[in-house]
Amino acid sequence: EAGVTQFPSHSVIEKGQTVTLRCDPISGHDNLYWYRRVMGKEIKFLLHFVKESKQDESGMPNNRFLAERTGGTYSTLKVQPAELEDSGVYFCASSHSGILQPQHFGDGTRLSIL
Amino acid sequence: AQSVAQPEDQVNVAEGNPLTVKCTYSVSGNPYLFWYVQYPNRGLQFLLKYITGDNLVKGSYGFEAEFNKSQTSFHLKKPSALVSDSALYFCAVRDTVGNTPLVFGKGTRLSVIA
Repeated sequence: EAGVTQFPSHSVIEKGQTVTLRCDPISGHDNLYWYRRVMGKEIKFLLHFVKESKQDESGMPNNRFLAERTGGTYSTLKVQPAELEDSGVYFCASSHSGILQPQHFGDGTRLSIL
Repeated sequence: AQSVAQPEDQVNVAEGNPLTVKCTYSVSGNPYLFWYVQYPNRGLQFLLKYITGDNLVKGSYGFEAEFNKSQTSFHLKKPSALVSDSALYFCAVRDTVGNTPLVFGKGTRLSVIA
């Protein structure tokens, strides 16, 4: 089966611009997660979708971040306007529902804000 | 609140020698523990998990991890390191059986020297 795919792999934008990251989960996975790793620090949870619904968005840093999962398939994460501290690697993961199903991660999008 | 500590930023080991990557955790309930590996420019790959039962868990690529409840540790081990094991290793925890987000440590970079 195809894995979790993320696009783009790398994005360089200027402060104040808008960027949209996309994640295509593994087909059939109801759970979709976004995480972020700022250089040298922990991977931090951003939010969790179950199908098209936001199950938990407690990790979203502020209202400049907007995530959607229309139709319960792929998800987008938009940052508008981008700030310098938003730089990092954004990972998407998906999993089946069920007890302790492992999360499968994409290769991440490296976001650089200049 | 849950947390994970990986006390070593870097571990160096000679090829053929045993390796250990340390992880300690803190959770309020039962711990469910995971190890992931990240190769350069790739996403996180699931290695193994501890749910319950045997304290020694076997995973992919010859890795295993030992759960120690009294020391709240879940160290990753391999009897004989390969150069190809060089990567970034992340320990993660959650305290529920449901599809809740993972809490990660900062990661440990493993370098295996030929």
